[in-house]
Amino acid sequence: QLVESGGDLVQPGGSLKLSCAASGFAFSNSWMGWVRQSPGKGLEWVANVKSDGSLTSYVDSVKGRFTISRDNAKNSLFLQMNSLRADDTAVYYCVVGRGAIWGQGAMVTVSS
Amino acid sequence: DVVMTQSPLSLPVTLGQPASVSCRSSQSLVHSDGNTYLNWFQQRPGQSPRRLIYNLSNRESGVPDRFSGSGSGTDFTLKISRVEAEDVGVYFCMQGKVWPHTFGQGTIFEIK
Repeated sequence: QLVESGGDLVQPGGSLKLSCAASGFAFSNSWMGWVRQSPGKGLEWVANVKSDGSLTSYVDSVKGRFTISRDNAKNSLFLQMNSLRADDTAVYYCVVGRGAIWGQGAMVTVSS
Repeated sequence: DVVMTQSPLSLPVTLGQPASVSCRSSQSLVHSDGNTYLNWFQQRPGQSPRRLIYNLSNRESGVPDRFSGSGSGTDFTLKISRVEAEDVGVYFCMQGKVWPHTFGQGTIFEIK
């Protein structure tokens, strides 16, 4: 199971940190990622992190602004989002591997 | 980025009848490890996406056997042998071979 938290309304240029609590599977052995969904852009895979945290990948649209990280001791995944823009508005899902398990999603709205 | 193109984008279906969705990728999804990293997801109204098929043709645990995935290289198909009312929703294909992982636009299943 994956449970996201931290979604909120934030002003353009602001920051937000999403968290994802994992349970019921071998979190520390799993690649993890964040996928977002917005009406205008469909589904977009935003970031990935290797099981031990040693490798991260980002889609071009968020490079330099978003940081994915994890705490295997606490079975937790994070997404630090800085310099937020209106087009970052979306539901953000925490996912396992190549989409084997999805959380319920966290709504992020960027608006003044 | 690998472009995933689905067709049709909307599919009126008849209960008890078969249905299929096509997905085409802009490059081959056959990995050097022998796997074809093409997944299919179902998103019911108000729910998170759920993976139905992984690596071209492998059904997730609990997915009814009326769902099947097939194809090769760059052309893929999701088939439902007999549509049931619970199959209403949006279906997405996704490639997990190269980063960034990318999704098709989605196909909306609606009951006639």
